[in-house]
Amino acid sequence: AQKVTQAQTEISVVEKEDVTLDCVYETRDTTYYLFWYKQPPSGELVFLIRRNSFDEQNEISGRYSWNFQKSTSSFNFTITASQVVDSAVYFCALSVLKTSYDKVIFGPGTSLSVIP
Amino acid sequence: NAGVMQNPRHLVRRRGQEARLRCSPMKGHSHVYWYRQLPEEGLKFMVYLQKENIIDESGMPKERFSAEFPKEGPSILRIQQVVRGDSAAYFCASSPLPLGGSTDTQYFGPGTRLTVL
Repeated sequence: AQKVTQAQTEISVVEKEDVTLDCVYETRDTTYYLFWYKQPPSGELVFLIRRNSFDEQNEISGRYSWNFQKSTSSFNFTITASQVVDSAVYFCALSVLKTSYDKVIFGPGTSLSVIP
Repeated sequence: NAGVMQNPRHLVRRRGQEARLRCSPMKGHSHVYWYRQLPEEGLKFMVYLQKENIIDESGMPKERFSAEFPKEGPSILRIQQVVRGDSAAYFCASSPLPLGGSTDTQYFGPGTRLTVL
């Protein structure tokens, strides 16, 4: 069975602090994708990143960075110099091959509040 | 290139009424997925459809819920005789190909927030 755990339910940081959102996944499949999505207060889902299981290179995009470690089944997300606009719920998700298509399994989400 | 569109954005129904949620996938996308997000929870897969076919409905309640994706027109998620527990945000996603083996991803619509009074 596949599962995504985001142990941090809520995090509060002061603006300009760095913050790391944890994500631990479970799967027996060797081929899978990992995602992060942002859900701001307006409610829509914003795609942030997709990483496949064969690419363990860390990725940086502006103030965002992702650390993928297969050895610990983790795909953590760090926001550097946080801003108020980063306040949102962040979902980590896992997609594994099921016959001919994937089903995306979402974690419960981490609610981030950035305080000015 | 318009994104995934869902309407209505907000829907209020009384217990026992029917709710119809519509999803228009991105142009060129023939794969549609519906997810439900209960309050304070993550998204849960409900159903996966291709044009005129239901591929996987393992996440959909057996009763009162149905989904379709006709040859022409949007995908419809239909909830009959709604109950208070159906109150949730319903998200639709589309992709041009099945995700398996592809380099693409699911693109999500803005969601429909259903409130059952």
